[in-house]
Amino acid sequence: DVKVTQSSRYLVKRTGEKVFLECVQDMDHENMFWYRQDPGLGLRLIYFSYDVKMKEKGDIPEGYSVSREKKERFSLILESASTNQTSMYLCASSLSDSTDTQYFGPGTRLTVL
Amino acid sequence: KQEVTQIPAALSVPEGENLVLNCSFTDSAIYNLQWFRQDPGKGLTSLLLIQSSQREQTSGRLNASLDKSSGRSTLYIAASQPGDSATYLCAVGNDYKLSFGAGTTVTVRA
Repeated sequence: DVKVTQSSRYLVKRTGEKVFLECVQDMDHENMFWYRQDPGLGLRLIYFSYDVKMKEKGDIPEGYSVSREKKERFSLILESASTNQTSMYLCASSLSDSTDTQYFGPGTRLTVL
Repeated sequence: KQEVTQIPAALSVPEGENLVLNCSFTDSAIYNLQWFRQDPGKGLTSLLLIQSSQREQTSGRLNASLDKSSGRSTLYIAASQPGDSATYLCAVGNDYKLSFGAGTTVTVRA
């Protein structure tokens, strides 16, 4: 079974802090994704990566950056957290092709005070 | 930009009734369509994946159809159970990306 894990289930940070969200997959998947989920807005793609050190902006990249130094690990970075970044953050991975299933992690509920 | 709509937003049915969940999308040039289930506070679980060349997929009590030309997909859940209570999300694949609907929250009453 594919396993996607996220470093924290719940996280509370202060405005202006630098925040790191980590995601690890154990199935040698090429593609990895970061989404945020908000009530009434659904899931929105922040960034994705189709290879090590490669990244592409999604629909809402502002205020975020990402890092993929190893194939299995994809990090989302909030350089200076703001209250409007309070959200559920979901990581996903897929094998190699755009037709493949995306597998999701359990999510990180981030609260920025 | 792909827009995905799910109607209704919420549904409550008695146990045993069949469920019909609808998804529509604006751009028919899709690679695939996925249905996911999400329990409160949890991540997404993939239920069914339909490739653009397929018309339907089945898994147990679940059946999903795809009509690309009209921009619609329907998820059928037969003989619903209280354990089917969850939010069901439809997602359309274009290139590497998925565009999600807002979901239908289902409550199955015992």
